[in-house]
Amino acid sequence: DQQVKQNSPSLSVQEGRISILNCDYTNSMFDYFLWYKKYPAEGPTFLISISSIKDKNEDGRFTVFLNKSAKHLSLHIVPSQPGDSAVYFCAASANSARQLTFGSGTQLTVLP
Amino acid sequence: EADIYQTPRYLVIGTGKKITLECSQTMGHDKMYWYQQDPGMELHLIHYSYGVNSTEKGDLSSESTVSRIRTEHFPLTLESARPSHTSQYLCASSEFGPQETQYFGPGTRLLVL
Repeated sequence: DQQVKQNSPSLSVQEGRISILNCDYTNSMFDYFLWYKKYPAEGPTFLISISSIKDKNEDGRFTVFLNKSAKHLSLHIVPSQPGDSAVYFCAASANSARQLTFGSGTQLTVLP
Repeated sequence: EADIYQTPRYLVIGTGKKITLECSQTMGHDKMYWYQQDPGMELHLIHYSYGVNSTEKGDLSSESTVSRIRTEHFPLTLESARPSHTSQYLCASSEFGPQETQYFGPGTRLLVL
């Protein structure tokens, strides 16, 4: 049973527009959420995180929103750039376990 | 910037060979992890360690073994490689804390013929 789900395997957006990547989770014990970016044949790179005590965290072009009641988080990238084209993974952890559970990723393609 | 290294980056090997994938980090992190990832799939935790002489199996059953003799080094060994072991292997590390961020190495892409 997948506890972290990224239901869109792929997303294409035009350069300069907003990219919105979505992630749903089922485990109500998750209290820390992260987004990673991964290029082919490379390891994931940490992008941004959010604690369950917040509903928004911003870092430059990247903003993560957390809706605890809906068990949903999203990553907004604005403006999108061609270099943002990669697979984006969301991940979550619970204070008790402190191990990350990953979604299956969304391939973002930013078109010039 | 995370300083975590993996070697080799790519490995093509025949069935039955013994292989060791190396992972080292220079951040002094106590916690280290090995994940396995196939294209289009999530990362699956296969081993983790909370410090020297501590190793645990992860959620995904794996025929590999690990050791943690030094804080900075967490090698993974396959005694007899099989085609089913073909995958990307990712090493990560983190500090202890209430909100832990794991930092990943570049990965090893393994192909067993």
